[in-house]
Amino acid sequence: NAGVTQTPKFQVLKTGQSMTLQCAQDMNHEYMSWYRQDPGMGLRLIHYSVGAGITDQGEVPNGYNVSRSTTEDFPLRLLSAAPSQTSVYFCASRKANTEAFFGQGTRLTVV
Amino acid sequence: GESVGLHLPTLSVQEGDNSIINCAYSNSASDYFIWYKQESGKGPQFIIDIRSNMDKRQGQRVTVLLNKTVKHLSLQIAATQPGDSAVYFCAESYTNAGKSTFGDGTTLTVKP
Repeated sequence: NAGVTQTPKFQVLKTGQSMTLQCAQDMNHEYMSWYRQDPGMGLRLIHYSVGAGITDQGEVPNGYNVSRSTTEDFPLRLLSAAPSQTSVYFCASRKANTEAFFGQGTRLTVV
Repeated sequence: GESVGLHLPTLSVQEGDNSIINCAYSNSASDYFIWYKQESGKGPQFIIDIRSNMDKRQGQRVTVLLNKTVKHLSLQIAATQPGDSAVYFCAESYTNAGKSTFGDGTTLTVKP
């Protein structure tokens, strides 16, 4: 199993550009989440999903969209990138009431 | 609202000593707690978990203690090694919740 795979690992965007961060898991986990981690900070939840076709907002959803068309994939879309979205983004998946498995992260810089 | 916080942002210990990392949570409905370790440049990795029907759970060199009365969680690392140097996060959730709430993390530094 590859676990949770995030692409790309690094990305530089200009203000106003849009892009999609990809996340895929091969563990048949129902739950998937996106977090952002700013320097010296913890993980803040952006969006999450409890199954295909179901998504919900987390703590900091503004400026981000998600969809969950399959169990395996949970892409995160930045609609119009802003410097405040410079961060490291982590995708995680898990089964209900168990620990999460995290990807290696996407380091995003918006200039 | 839900919040999970850590008492100390940094902890420095001597190699071979025991380490204790603390965590406070505020959601009394939380019944599942997890500790994660994050090494530099990597995603968090699961260390140990505990459910609210337990007070203590032991793993290899790690023990998690849960005090539901004061909503407090701790991670004890025995015989701390340089490889234990990382940021440690606690997280809390409740049955069938789609999300977990993370604390801000404690940076553990192990001095040789």
